[in-house]
Amino acid sequence: GENVEQHPSTLSVQEGDSAVIKCTYSDSASNYFPWYKQELGKGPQLIIDIRSNVGEKKDQRIAVTLNKTAKHFSLHITETQPEDSAVYFCAASKDSWGKLQFGAGTQVVVTP
Amino acid sequence: DAGVTQSPTHLIKTRGQQVTLRCSPKSGHDTVSWYQQALGQGPQFIFQYYEEEERQRGNFPDRFSGHQFPNYSSELNVNALLLGDSALYLCASSFAGGPEKLFFGSGTQLSVL
Repeated sequence: GENVEQHPSTLSVQEGDSAVIKCTYSDSASNYFPWYKQELGKGPQLIIDIRSNVGEKKDQRIAVTLNKTAKHFSLHITETQPEDSAVYFCAASKDSWGKLQFGAGTQVVVTP
Repeated sequence: DAGVTQSPTHLIKTRGQQVTLRCSPKSGHDTVSWYQQALGQGPQFIFQYYEEEERQRGNFPDRFSGHQFPNYSSELNVNALLLGDSALYLCASSFAGGPEKLFFGSGTQLSVL
């Protein structure tokens, strides 16, 4: 089955700097790649997603890039703010049924 | 517009007991998926319900079962609880006719003693 690896497991950045989280997937049939942000005591919140027919997508300070050939995708957060501190998960799906395979998560800490 | 709601928020059970968790999907959504999230890990897919039937299932034993009601709400049942079942159980809803965007509830924290 699909396997998603996520790096790094923890990321500490200064406020205003950029943060990058990388994921790789194993199943070349995967075609949908969402990113979720999870704050303490809450469920994961969808922040951005990308489909396999698109190489890059941006939404204000966050962007996601996808390299289908290498089977990896990345999340970029620019001008980080303390409220960006959370656990971020990448995921992959190869069908429209909503079964997502998640990475293990990245704990992002933004220090003022 | 209410999002995905889950109840209860916390639950404590002992080994061997049975538990039922409940989920109401986001307005307009007709598909409910359940995920188990162990501490420090990503969510793991349990199963998905659409049109009151289990449409897809992950690698979970038959002790895990579910149900979807005509109003699209759903229940997750776990029998013969084990210590290893302690986790955050997340419900996610989506619309079968649209993009596969999943919206998660805040989860039910289950502790098995």
